[in-house]
Amino acid sequence: AQTVTQSQPEMSVQEAETVTLSCTYDTSENNYYLFWYKQPPSRQMILVIRQEAYKQQNATENRFSVNFQKAAKSFSLKISDSQLGDTAMYFCAFLSTGANNLFFGTGTRLTVIP
Amino acid sequence: DTGVSQDPRHKITKRGQNVTFRCDPISEHNRLYWYRQTLGQGPEFLTYFQNEAQLEKSRLLSDRFSAERPKGSFSTLEIQRTEQGDSAMYLCASGPWTGTGGWQTFGSGTRLTVV
Repeated sequence: AQTVTQSQPEMSVQEAETVTLSCTYDTSENNYYLFWYKQPPSRQMILVIRQEAYKQQNATENRFSVNFQKAAKSFSLKISDSQLGDTAMYFCAFLSTGANNLFFGTGTRLTVIP
Repeated sequence: DTGVSQDPRHKITKRGQNVTFRCDPISEHNRLYWYRQTLGQGPEFLTYFQNEAQLEKSRLLSDRFSAERPKGSFSTLEIQRTEQGDSAMYLCASGPWTGTGGWQTFGSGTRLTVV
């Protein structure tokens, strides 16, 4: 079974600074997808960024980028120029190409400090 | 398109009562998923539909839970004889299937409190 581990329950960052959220996963598969979702307080979960395991190039989406290390089974999220609106729970998620559901980590609560 | 809609947003019910939640997915998405999220945890998969067919159910989905997606459009999740342990956020998601993997768009969820 796939497992996703987020070892940082809470993090904080000063506005305009950069922060990196960690995620590791365990799988025996070679092809899969990894995601970071953002869940603001009392609001819906939003897809932040998506990485396909067969692509060596790290995904980037504006201020959000990932560091995908396939051999180490690591998938960290870097948020540059942090904004107050980035305050949220961030979930790392795994999807096997042979499966139909996302496996989520326990989340990291990020607070951006003005 | 207004995204994935869930109704109600909040539901308080007494233990032993039945509750039903509704999810309206993004119209062009053929896959619909239900997840449960308890406090401090990530969402856990319950079940999913491809069009009107329910193709997979998690072991978390006890006999008291039933989900339907008539005509492959909206879906309902019913919990019979609710228990306090059913208190959670129930999330619906929909997505396309690209053949090798697909992303999921989530609704705002229905927060269930069983008293």
